[in-house]
Amino acid sequence: QVQLQQSGPALVKPTQTLSLTCTISGDSVSGNGVIWNWIRQSPSRGLEWLGRTFYTSKWNNDYAVSVIGRMTIKADTSKNQFSLQLNSVTPEDTAVYYCVRFLVKPRLNTFDIWDQGTMVTVSS
Amino acid sequence: DIVMTQTPLSLSVTPGQPASISCKSSQSLLDSDGKTHLNWYQQKPGQPPQVLIYEVSNRFSGVPDRFSGSGSGTDFTLKISRVEAEDVGVYYCMQSIQLPWTFGQGTKVEIK
Repeated sequence: QVQLQQSGPALVKPTQTLSLTCTISGDSVSGNGVIWNWIRQSPSRGLEWLGRTFYTSKWNNDYAVSVIGRMTIKADTSKNQFSLQLNSVTPEDTAVYYCVRFLVKPRLNTFDIWDQGTMVTVSS
Repeated sequence: DIVMTQTPLSLSVTPGQPASISCKSSQSLLDSDGKTHLNWYQQKPGQPPQVLIYEVSNRFSGVPDRFSGSGSGTDFTLKISRVEAEDVGVYYCMQSIQLPWTFGQGTKVEIK
């Protein structure tokens, strides 16, 4: 059974860097047919896809325009984890952050595994 | 970005009665491989979203058959044939044909 476990701070000060880590059990961060994502949810922005990482002979990363230049996603195969770093946070980055698996199979493409989420507040 | 627009934004339903949610995309979600990349998710209070329907009309493993999806191109519908108390929550459509993947605003389903 695939599970995702997120870790990271609940409170970050404005201008600082938010760092979150998602540990995968039951699957591999470099596995075939899977894409690892960060999604956030806030009352003002709803569900917002932030970025993804996946391995196909090399690591691939994509980011939402809203976070390009501020966000980095990295995979750590030794720990079977992937992480998010979001620089220069503002109160607008306050949200519940989810790490999520996207399954890519011939007739099944969807977000199928979500962690419970971390409520991150940006405040001084 | 592809904009996903859901209607209505809220729905109050008597148990046992049907419910229907519409989702319209600003661009066609039909891919060149013949797949249509439209999914539906249910978010119960205090929980992360969970997949109900993938590729327009395929129920995910374990999803009750009272949930069904239909549509094509840019117009899609999620139907609950007979609403039960456990169906309370917010329902989202989502497109995965083009980055950034985007979600609808959500439709809140309540029980009368």
